[in-house]
Amino acid sequence: KQEVTQIPAALSVPEGENLVLNCSFTDSAIYNLQWFRQDPGKGLTSLLLIQSSQREQTSGRLNASLDKSSGRSTLYIAASQPGDSATYLCAVEAAGNKLTFGGGTRVLVKP
Amino acid sequence: DGGITQSPKYLFRKEGQNVTLSCEQNLNHDAMYWYRQDPGQGLRLIYYSQIVNDFQKGDIAEGYSVSREKKESFPLTVTSAQKNPTAFYLCASRTGTAVSPLHFGNGTRLTVT
Repeated sequence: KQEVTQIPAALSVPEGENLVLNCSFTDSAIYNLQWFRQDPGKGLTSLLLIQSSQREQTSGRLNASLDKSSGRSTLYIAASQPGDSATYLCAVEAAGNKLTFGGGTRVLVKP
Repeated sequence: DGGITQSPKYLFRKEGQNVTLSCEQNLNHDAMYWYRQDPGQGLRLIYYSQIVNDFQKGDIAEGYSVSREKKESFPLTVTSAQKNPTAFYLCASRTGTAVSPLHFGNGTRLTVT
């Protein structure tokens, strides 16, 4: 059974510092990995989707890498801003159109 | 303005009552999903549907039921058989392919007392 882990559960950084968020998964037979952002009391917003054949994806200040063989993905957010404060979740998709989510990392960017 | 609408935002029920959560999308997506989120935990899949009139159980389907009579709608019923129904419920949709991202609604917070 696929298990997805995100460590740390919470992270606090000063504004301007780069953020590094980690996601690990136990079964490397995945179709894709997605990173989401969730604001308090809201739904999830898709940030990046990396297909299993890709090594990384970039969107603005966000960059996500994928290493299937080691079961890891990292989300980098450059030059963090207070507006980046949120919970970030990763999810992996395997056969059967089913996604398995990690527990998320709660990020606080201090002005 | 395309998106997913979940209603209501907050729902309160007495124990023993069934309750139905609404999810409507105008994105023309084939696949729809229901997740449950508990504090400090990731999302867990309740039910999903890849096409109209068809749906499959997820990891925690016991005590829940769904229907998919229209492409746009995927309502979730929380029955009295669900032991711990108080949670945040999220509906999502996407096109039918595995390379498309999930789009989420803003959730319904259900409290059962």
